[in-house]
Amino acid sequence: NAGVTQTPKFQVLKTGQSMTLQCAQDMNHEYMSWYRQDPGMGLRLIHYSVGAGITDQGEVPNGYNVSRSTTEDFPLRLLSAAPSQTSVYFCASSYSVQGARNEQYFGPGTRLTVT
Amino acid sequence: GQQVMQIPQYQHVQEGEDFTTYCNSSTTLSNIQWYKQRPGGHPVFLIQLVKSGEVKKQKRLTFQFGEAKKNSSLHITATQTTDVGTYFCAGPPGSTLGRLYFGRGTQLTVWP
Repeated sequence: NAGVTQTPKFQVLKTGQSMTLQCAQDMNHEYMSWYRQDPGMGLRLIHYSVGAGITDQGEVPNGYNVSRSTTEDFPLRLLSAAPSQTSVYFCASSYSVQGARNEQYFGPGTRLTVT
Repeated sequence: GQQVMQIPQYQHVQEGEDFTTYCNSSTTLSNIQWYKQRPGGHPVFLIQLVKSGEVKKQKRLTFQFGEAKKNSSLHITATQTTDVGTYFCAGPPGSTLGRLYFGRGTQLTVWP
């Protein structure tokens, strides 16, 4: 199993550009989520999905869109990039939403810079 | 605002000293998870605590979940340089299915 994969690893955008961060998992996990990590701020939840076709907002959803058309994929779209979105983005997945098997498996991250 | 508070933000210890990080939630948590992130890496799951008052050990690491399920701690005995990294706690608020809130983490530096 490849686990959780993210592409690209690095990206530089200009203000106003749009792009999609890709996330895929091959573990048949029900739950997927996106976090951003900024220095001193820990991991903040952007959006999450409890199954295909179901998404919801986390702590910091503004400026981002998600969709979950398949169990495997959970792309994150930046509609109009802003310098405040410069961050490291992590995708994570888990077997279940709650209970004994909801430990998160993280991807390697995407380092995004918006100039 | 931040649902899960974690202290301290930074901790510098000499190799062999003990280390503790504390996690407090404003709401009751159905469970608490702990993760470790090495510099430049991604968070890796360490353990999950579910029961009130639960204590679990992994070699030199001891994890505790408070009786009210609102706080937790991670204690490392006799730190080693391999313990370097940032330790995060995370918990799902009991009433909100699907969300997992992370603390800001404690960055541990170990001097040889």
